[in-house]
Amino acid sequence: EVQVVESGGGLVQPGGSLRLSCEVSGFTFSSYAMSWVRQAPGKGLEWVSGISGSGGSTYYADSVKGRFTISRDNSKNTLYLQMNSLRAEDTAAYYCASYMTTVTTSFDCWGQGTLVTVSS
Amino acid sequence: QSVVTQPPSVSGAPGQRVTISCTGSSSNTGAGYDVHWYQQLPGTAPKLLMYGNNNRPSGVPDRFSGSKSGTSASLAISGLQAEDEADYYCQSYDSSLSGSVFGGGTKLTVL
Repeated sequence: EVQVVESGGGLVQPGGSLRLSCEVSGFTFSSYAMSWVRQAPGKGLEWVSGISGSGGSTYYADSVKGRFTISRDNSKNTLYLQMNSLRAEDTAAYYCASYMTTVTTSFDCWGQGTLVTVSS
Repeated sequence: QSVVTQPPSVSGAPGQRVTISCTGSSSNTGAGYDVHWYQQLPGTAPKLLMYGNNNRPSGVPDRFSGSKSGTSASLAISGLQAEDEADYYCQSYDSSLSGSVFGGGTKLTVL
């Protein structure tokens, strides 16, 4: 059974940093591109970042470019999102999701999400 | 604003058929990239409902169907049931943004 479990969310002040983790089991982690998708309270889904299976290629939405860094540790089946210079508009539930194959495809397995609140 | 457009809401009575449209542009849906659909029930994570324009993952009822033509795609739900009440999102890839894009979402109300 595939399991995707995010952690690391919480309350952080504007300008602060937070690192999210996503632990995956049930499939060959290194074979699949992974992503982070967020959803602000009461709003729609927004793709944040993606990474290839090897970790050699990374992609970011313009809204987070230069502030967020996606990475993965295939030996630990874990995906990360380092979030720096956080802003109030980054407040959202952050979902970890696997791509069906490459970064141009669908997101087929999702975690339950971890909530990030940026507020003073 | 989303680069991919969906109607904010649709509604239908139980047993009826509803469709949700998804319109993109020449850098995403019009560039030949597939459209995928997600269902998000209240308080839960999104779930893949349709991939590659018209393919249902295992477990998704055949009441759900998808299609795509040019820059537009649509999700049809026939035999509407109360449990279908949810938010629905379309998604594609955008070559100009080098990333995935979601539609703004459509809230389906079962009357």
